Amino acid sequence: DADVTQTPRNRITKTGKRIMLECSQTKGHDRMYWYRQDPGLGLRLIYYSFDVKDINKGEISDGYSVSRQAQAKFSLSLESAIPNQTALYFCATSDSGQGLNEQYFGPGTRLTVT
Amino acid sequence: AQTVTQSQPEMSVQEAETVTLSCTYDTSESDYYLFWYKQPPSRQMILVIRQEAYKQQNATENRFSVNFQKAAKSFSLKISDSQLGDAAMYFCAYRRSYDKVIFGPGTSLSVIP
Repeated sequence: DADVTQTPRNRITKTGKRIMLECSQTKGHDRMYWYRQDPGLGLRLIYYSFDVKDINKGEISDGYSVSRQAQAKFSLSLESAIPNQTALYFCATSDSGQGLNEQYFGPGTRLTVT
Repeated sequence: AQTVTQSQPEMSVQEAETVTLSCTYDTSESDYYLFWYKQPPSRQMILVIRQEAYKQQNATENRFSVNFQKAAKSFSLKISDSQLGDAAMYFCAYRRSYDKVIFGPGTSLSVIP
């Protein structure tokens, strides 16, 4: 089984709808992240959490909210989806910010807002 | 604020040849870590290689190596003996200790048979 899973893998929704993207991990990592990928812009950080009680905004948090339900679960919500939120969304985890610890990514969620 | 720049949106290389992807970053820190990630068409993000800033020796992983120039804040990726499976988006990333990762905009690499 994959270490980091995301559901759904693909989603089409309409403008104004609320949508939740879910992320689960079995790596036992404290740190979890939500990124958005757009062509030519790379991966931009939406929110991140260094432990269950720690939630931080990234560079593009407007229009998004998150919930860290447990060490293993980190959900991203779009309260009222708009077309420019159409993108590929990635969840990632890491052990700590020390050393050469890499990030482990989920398979991504392709979200289309019509 | 730290930034990561990849000045080549697209690159191509002949199969079996060598290609170098550029990455520069901006930081005032002396202790940090640099990474190259690969994203093939499957869209899965895969770590290619990593480097600690305080280590002078350039990291290597099989056909992949880096040229780390700390003073110039440059971290280029060299792929030797390019293979069709190397075709992907490549992202350079920076992280200072205990902090979040910052990604560059990516370089799309095509491999020509």
